[in-house]
Amino acid sequence: QVQLVESGGDWVKPGGSLRLSCAASGFTFSHYHMSWIRQAPGKGLEWLSYITYSSGVIYYADSVRGRFTISRDNAKNSLYLQMNSLTAADTAVYYCARGSDYFDNWGQGTLVTVSS
Amino acid sequence: QSVLTQPPSASGTPGQRVTVSCSGSSSNIGSDFVYWYQQLPGAAPRLLIYKNHQRPSGVPDRFSGSKSGTSASLAISGLRSEDEAEYYCAAWDDRLSAVIFGGGTKLTVL
Repeated sequence: QVQLVESGGDWVKPGGSLRLSCAASGFTFSHYHMSWIRQAPGKGLEWLSYITYSSGVIYYADSVRGRFTISRDNAKNSLYLQMNSLTAADTAVYYCARGSDYFDNWGQGTLVTVSS
Repeated sequence: QSVLTQPPSASGTPGQRVTVSCSGSSSNIGSDFVYWYQQLPGAAPRLLIYKNHQRPSGVPDRFSGSKSGTSASLAISGLRSEDEAEYYCAAWDDRLSAVIFGGGTKLTVL
């Protein structure tokens, strides 16, 4: 069955950086576009970025463009999110999800806390 | 403030039919498909409806979606206690070149 497992969430100080990973299994990872979506505590869902199956096309939300970088390694069945210049507003559970304009499988999420 | 507008809450009694609305614009719902997600308390979201009205395998036919112009609706018939959850609509926005979510509707089963 499809499985997406995020890791890398942690507590970080404002201005810091963090790299999230998402390990995929149960499907042919290299055939699917992938996305990152986050949810701040008690808030709704916010799409952040998607990357096409071959990394040829990437989109970002305005809120993270220039600070976050999505990437993937199809040989390792892994998706990444490099997050720089973090602020308190980036505190959230970060989900990786399969798909680009819609998401048919989600990971369980990893918590990122930005605080001094 | 979300680009897609949903009522913050909805409620119904077991067996009832409830609907959740989602209002957008010509750059999102009006020009692309609508998707619905269910998020049970403490869980990751789950795809409920795709391409306006299609149900993934495993989603009961009690759930149905529709779209008209720049608005969409999710209907849940035969309401059950396990349907108590947050429901989100979503669509691609051509102007923003981004996926946008509604603010979510918390459904309470009385």
